Amino acid sequence: EPEVTQTPSHQVTQMGQEVILRCVPISNHLYFYWYRQILGQKVEFLVSFYNNEISEKSEIFDDQFSVERPDGSNFTLKIRSTKLEDSAMYFCASSESSPLHFGNGTRLTVT
Amino acid sequence: EDQVTQSPEALRLQEGESSSLNCSYTVSGLRGLFWYRQDPGKGPEFLFTLYSAGEEKEKERLKATLTKKESFLHITAPKPEDSATYLCAGEGNTGFQKLVFGTGTRLLVSP
Repeated sequence: EPEVTQTPSHQVTQMGQEVILRCVPISNHLYFYWYRQILGQKVEFLVSFYNNEISEKSEIFDDQFSVERPDGSNFTLKIRSTKLEDSAMYFCASSESSPLHFGNGTRLTVT
Repeated sequence: EDQVTQSPEALRLQEGESSSLNCSYTVSGLRGLFWYRQDPGKGPEFLFTLYSAGEEKEKERLKATLTKKESFLHITAPKPEDSATYLCAGEGNTGFQKLVFGTGTRLLVSP
């Protein structure tokens, strides 16, 4: 069964550094998303992406965040200058329409 | 503001002991109510979508139901492999597949 794959599974970075989280969505899907889950809290929406542009973004998704689909298969989330509070599990998801199919996440630890 | 609340936070069952998980929602213009299963260290795995009050869906030992204010996930004769966190999420009219998640119910089924 096709699945969403995310790399790396765990990323440790120092505060102020830039990180790029990578995702390969399911091949025929057209809608792409990033969600995150801070330890012990709810899964929360960050951004949706369709037709090479952002469709929706949450209040969390400020100027330090950006998304890109650099080629036909990858979807990336860049965090420009990481803060301690960015430590979380970041989930990529994709869909043809509904429902969302999630990857297994990247655990980001900011020290 | 859209909100999804799940109860109980944790539930311990003996194998074969049926029970129900609750999801209360306040979601403007509900387009869909989703149930996902999440295993430790993994991403949410889709189970069901419910669209309108009175709708029911079943899969193996799981049955999901929907009213105008709540959804229930009924687990009949659970097995240890049903142990997981069950997440409820609502999609409202604030964005396509912009899901609002509850905090989940951690289910542990003992042999």
